[in-house]
Amino acid sequence: AQSVTQLDSHVSVSEGTPVLLRCNYSSSYSPSLFWYVQHPNKGLQLLLKYTSAATLVKGINGFEAEFKKSETSFHLTKPSAHMSDAAEYFCVASNDYKLSFGAGTTVTVRA
Amino acid sequence: NAGVMQNPRHLVRRRGQEARLRCSPMKGHSHVYWYRQLPEEGLKFMVYLQKENIIDESGMPKERFSAEFPKEGPSILRIQQVVRGDSAAYFCASSLLRTGDRTNTEAFFGQGTRLTVV
Repeated sequence: AQSVTQLDSHVSVSEGTPVLLRCNYSSSYSPSLFWYVQHPNKGLQLLLKYTSAATLVKGINGFEAEFKKSETSFHLTKPSAHMSDAAEYFCVASNDYKLSFGAGTTVTVRA
Repeated sequence: NAGVMQNPRHLVRRRGQEARLRCSPMKGHSHVYWYRQLPEEGLKFMVYLQKENIIDESGMPKERFSAEFPKEGPSILRIQQVVRGDSAAYFCASSLLRTGDRTNTEAFFGQGTRLTVV
């Protein structure tokens, strides 16, 4: 069995400052891990994924995430937030075709 | 190529009525997955279908819920005799091949159908 915990339900940042979204997973093996973003009234969009290759994964829109097995973490970061980054973000682990979602982190960006 | 299309976007049903949620996968995709998102929770897997076959329905309630993906037409998630607890957002995803740890296949999600039971 596996589970995903997103440590913050809401994150508020100022435009131009770094963003950090925290995610921890529990699994009996090293799963594939993903970050998805959902903008209002839009479908879920894949930001990036980790599949046991490089531990630092670069995604779209300047986001990246680092897989740390020792900490069972997969935190998402972006050096400089943009207003368009305001959305809900989901950390996801996969077990074959089943995706296990965290509860989500809502990001607000202040001008 | 249009993305995964779900309709309706919003659906209101009275207790005891039936709800039908439709999902048209991306062109060429024969694998469909349904997820449910309850308020303040992440998405939970419900069912995985591949053209005319149910591969895994372990996440779907045993009663009142059913899903199909016919040879022609969209995938349908059907909820009979809805209750207030069925109020949620229902998301559909599709993929070209079966997704999994050993494949490099991405699942594409629709915008969801928000069901409200009054």
